[in-house]
Amino acid sequence: KQEVTQIPAALSVPEGENLVLNCSFTDSAIYNLQWFRQDPGKGLTSLLLIQSSQREQTSGRLNASLDKSSGRSTLYIAASQPGDSATYLCAVGGGSEKLVFGKGTKLTVNP
Amino acid sequence: GAVVSQHPSWVICKSGTSVKIECRSLDFQATTMFWYRQFPKQSLMLMATSNEGSKATYEQGVEKDKFLINHASLTLSTLTVTSAHPEDSSFYICSATSWRGTDTQYFGPGTRLTVL
Repeated sequence: KQEVTQIPAALSVPEGENLVLNCSFTDSAIYNLQWFRQDPGKGLTSLLLIQSSQREQTSGRLNASLDKSSGRSTLYIAASQPGDSATYLCAVGGGSEKLVFGKGTKLTVNP
Repeated sequence: GAVVSQHPSWVICKSGTSVKIECRSLDFQATTMFWYRQFPKQSLMLMATSNEGSKATYEQGVEKDKFLINHASLTLSTLTVTSAHPEDSSFYICSATSWRGTDTQYFGPGTRLTVL
């Protein structure tokens, strides 16, 4: 059974700092890995999707890496801004297969 | 493109009543829709997978007679919580994938259900 763990559960940083969020999964036979953002009481916004054959994806200030063999992914956020404050969710699976989510990392960027 | 809507966005009901939540793909045809449930400070947990025109596949531990799912068209799936109880209070989110087989699930904004 696939399990996804995200560390840390919460993170508070000053504005402008670069930061890394971690995600690990127990079964390396994944289809893809996605990072999502969730604002309080809201749905999910897809940030980055990494196919199982890829090593990383970039979008603006965000960079996500994937190491299938070790069952790990990281989300790097450069030059953090208060607007980046949200919960970041990692999920594995995808396509027509179900997604298995981690519990998320709650990020607070202080002005 | 690839917008998914949910209605209602929030609902409060009395214990014992039934509540229907709609999930619509607005600008694409969704061959597969997923229903998730999220309790406070917890992960999203998949409840069921729904393919258009066929019966939903429920995850282990999810009561199919309590959570009725209908996917009658390529743009609409509904989740009906029957005889709701306070423990059913949660955030329900749907997602959809298109027939083109893209890898991304597009998520709706979620529905907050509170059962009194």
